[in-house]
Amino acid sequence: KNQVEQSPQSLIILEGKNCTLQCNYTVSPFSNLRWYKQDTGRGPVSLTIMTFSENTKSNGRYTATLDADTKQSSLHITASQLSDSASYICVVSEKGWGKLQFGAGTQVVVTP
Amino acid sequence: NAGVTQTPKFQVLKTGQSMTLQCAQDMNHEYMSWYRQDPGMGLRLIHYSVGAGITDQGEVPNGYNVSRSTTEDFPLRLLSAAPSQTSVYFCASSSRLAGGQITYNEQFFGPGTRLTVL
Repeated sequence: KNQVEQSPQSLIILEGKNCTLQCNYTVSPFSNLRWYKQDTGRGPVSLTIMTFSENTKSNGRYTATLDADTKQSSLHITASQLSDSASYICVVSEKGWGKLQFGAGTQVVVTP
Repeated sequence: NAGVTQTPKFQVLKTGQSMTLQCAQDMNHEYMSWYRQDPGMGLRLIHYSVGAGITDQGEVPNGYNVSRSTTEDFPLRLLSAAPSQTSVYFCASSSRLAGGQITYNEQFFGPGTRLTVL
């Protein structure tokens, strides 16, 4: 069973609107949680990295939140742009040697 | 800096053929790894290396070999290609923070190699 579950699998939003992606994990012991953006045909690119003590982090119009008690994270995209169309991947790192557990991603399509 | 580069970008093989996927980074990163990405699944670790001369198996190592003779290069070899190895392959690298807190470091991914095995 995948230790990192993302929802929804995909969503379509209108340009200019906001959206929120969810990530639930069971990885333990927890070290940090990362959100990546993957454009079609490209490798993933890091958006944010959060440790146990951080509960929110922003990168431009992207804001990630983390609740380590409930093992949930969200990625909020504000005022979406066409260039936000991509897959967003939640990645959780185990404490220790740092094994990364990848979610399957949420495919976001922004339409004009 | 070119970052992480991968060649080729696309490859078609017949079952039983062998080939090597190339990966290079120019950031002097100690850690390098290979992942495969299949539809509907998260990236899965194939092999990784913590430095030149040191490699180890990841989650799905069967059918693949790696070596790390230099810091810059980390090739992935398919010994006898099978249709189940049809996938997109990504190489990644990261540095080590002082004190060894490697798990916090950002991983940089290459552009990927799309492999089809017929």
